Amino acid sequence: GQNIDQPTEMTATEGAIVQINCTYQTSGFNGLFWYQQHAGEAPTFLSYNVLDGLEEKGRFSSFLSRSKGYSYLLLKELQMKDSASYLCAVRGRGFQKLVFGTGTRLLVSP
Amino acid sequence: DGGITQSPKYLFRKEGQNVTLSCEQNLNHDAMYWYRQDPGQGLRLIYYSQIVNDFQKGDIAEGYSVSREKKESFPLTVTSAQKNPTAFYLCASSTSGATGELFFGEGSRLTVL
Repeated sequence: GQNIDQPTEMTATEGAIVQINCTYQTSGFNGLFWYQQHAGEAPTFLSYNVLDGLEEKGRFSSFLSRSKGYSYLLLKELQMKDSASYLCAVRGRGFQKLVFGTGTRLLVSP
Repeated sequence: DGGITQSPKYLFRKEGQNVTLSCEQNLNHDAMYWYRQDPGQGLRLIYYSQIVNDFQKGDIAEGYSVSREKKESFPLTVTSAQKNPTAFYLCASSTSGATGELFFGEGSRLTVL
């Protein structure tokens, strides 16, 4: 089976840095994805990691450690519009589907 | 513009009625998916299809049915057998490779009265 864990909710201040963690246990591994989802809207793709290390994309970075079954999403210079849910998803072995965690709701305050 | 179109955006149905949600994509993607999202929950996979005329059950397929007669289309029917159908339904598509991220439609919110 597959299990993905993320914190339920986090709060941070505008301009700050926040790290959202994700741990996973899967049968096989073909990559980890991060998505952003604003309330009532569809998820949008943020990042993809399949090798260990850090992937940087503007204000957002994502890190992966396959041996530890661990990833994090780092958001810098937080803006109010970053208030959203952040979904961690893992693709296992042999098939296309992604398995999603329950998501972390991030609230950015002024 | 390429993308995924879901309709309707909002749908109300009475108990005991079947309802079909439409999903069309013009991204030329082979794989398509249906997810369900409940408040405070992650996305749960209902059905997925990797190729035309073929589909597989996801984790919560009971009470749902799908078809994949065309590459562009993957409609989902919520049947009266689905015990708790009120939810936000998301359709997605991706390329065939392992690195292909999912592209999502805007979602359909179904409410059973």
